[in-house]
Formats: sequence, structure tokens, C-alpha cells
Amino acid sequence: AQSVAQPEDQVNVAEGNPLTVKCTYSVSGNPYLFWYVQYPNRGLQFLLKYITGDNLVKGSYGFEAEFNKSQTSFHLKKPSALVSDSALYFCAVRDRGSTLGRLYFGRGTQLTVWP
Amino acid sequence: DADVTQTPRNRITKTGKRIMLECSQTKGHDRMYWYRQDPGLGLRLIYYSFDVKDINKGEISDGYSVSRQAQAKFSLSLESAIPNQTALYFCATSDPAFSGGGTDTQYFGPGTRLTVL
Repeated sequence: AQSVAQPEDQVNVAEGNPLTVKCTYSVSGNPYLFWYVQYPNRGLQFLLKYITGDNLVKGSYGFEAEFNKSQTSFHLKKPSALVSDSALYFCAVRDRGSTLGRLYFGRGTQLTVWP
Repeated sequence: DADVTQTPRNRITKTGKRIMLECSQTKGHDRMYWYRQDPGLGLRLIYYSFDVKDINKGEISDGYSVSRQAQAKFSLSLESAIPNQTALYFCATSDPAFSGGGTDTQYFGPGTRLTVL
């Protein structure tokens, strides 16, 4: 069974500080991993994905994520947070062995960056 | 993402009414999906379609039906709306042929906020 856990409903961080949004996953095979961001009154926007290779993936808006196979984690990071990063973040996983392209989403983490 | 559009953006209706939500895409993708988002629950898959002739139920299809009128159009219907169908509904598209590494990255529309009174 596939599943994604985002253990924190909310993350609060001061502008300029580093941020981390946590994600752990469970898949029966090897994963494709994704991060999406949702700004208020908007749809989900693709941020980055892990396919294979380098465990550190760089994405849009200065975000990056680190794939850790032993810990089955894919935490989202940014070295210096901006107020404009405040949004709802979703981690998603897909079993790469599956022909079905469906994603399993976490429940989301609300990131608030205060000035 | 302007490549995936949804209409209407907001809808208020009454219990028992039939409602149709529409999704159109210009990305040329074969695969289309309908999700609903509820606070604290993330996104749950309602239906998905790999092409015009291939439609499949997702994890929460009860009370919903879909129609894939063309490659670019995928509609979601609530035959008889009930209050617990109040949610934010998203359409998404994907195509492994367009995604790096065949990951089938999904791209989302702006959502339809549906309220059932």
C-alpha cells in the first residue's frame, strides 16, 4: 500500500531563517516523489520531483528536497525563507513500478513565514 | 496553471440538485483526474481517465460520475448533491510521454469550490 505522512500540520518560521517541511512515505516498490505548493485560492503547483540519481533535488523558487531511502523520507527545504513562501505544501508519492500514474498525497503542511 | 481550466470556480447549490463541474486542458495530455480536497485530509482521487475510452474509479467515487467528452475535456457530475460533498474539487492532467523520466507529473487546474446547502 502506498501512503504519505506529513507529521506537521503547521510550520512557522521567521523570514530569512531556513525552513524544513517533513515528509515520509511508504510504497511497495521504488518511489517517484513530488512536492506541490498551494497558494490561497489557487490550484496545486508542481515544485520538484525525485526520479533517480542525486538525492538532493532542486526545484522552483529556491526550494530543494532530500531523498533518504533508509529513512523513507523526502523533506522539503529552503535555506532562507520568504514571507511569500507562506502556503500549503503537499508531498506526494507514486510507485514507479505502477503503470497507473496516480499520486498518493499527504494531508498537507501549512507553512507560515513571518516578517 | 492556465493550461488546465475549470468551470465554474465557485458554486453554491442545494441538496438533491444535479451539478456538473467541467475541466478543459490544452496541454495535450491523455490522462486526466478528478480530486477533492477537504481540510486536513489532503487530496483524494475520485475518478481518473487514461484516454477517452478508459475511465476508472478512484478511492471515493460513490455519489459521483464522470464523462470524458474528448481528450481535452473531462467532466465530473454529482447526480444528487449532499452536504458532505461540500469541498474544493481539482482537475489534473498528466502524460508520461511529457514528463522527464516518465514520472507522469500531474498538473492541476485552479479548482472549483462547491458548497452544498
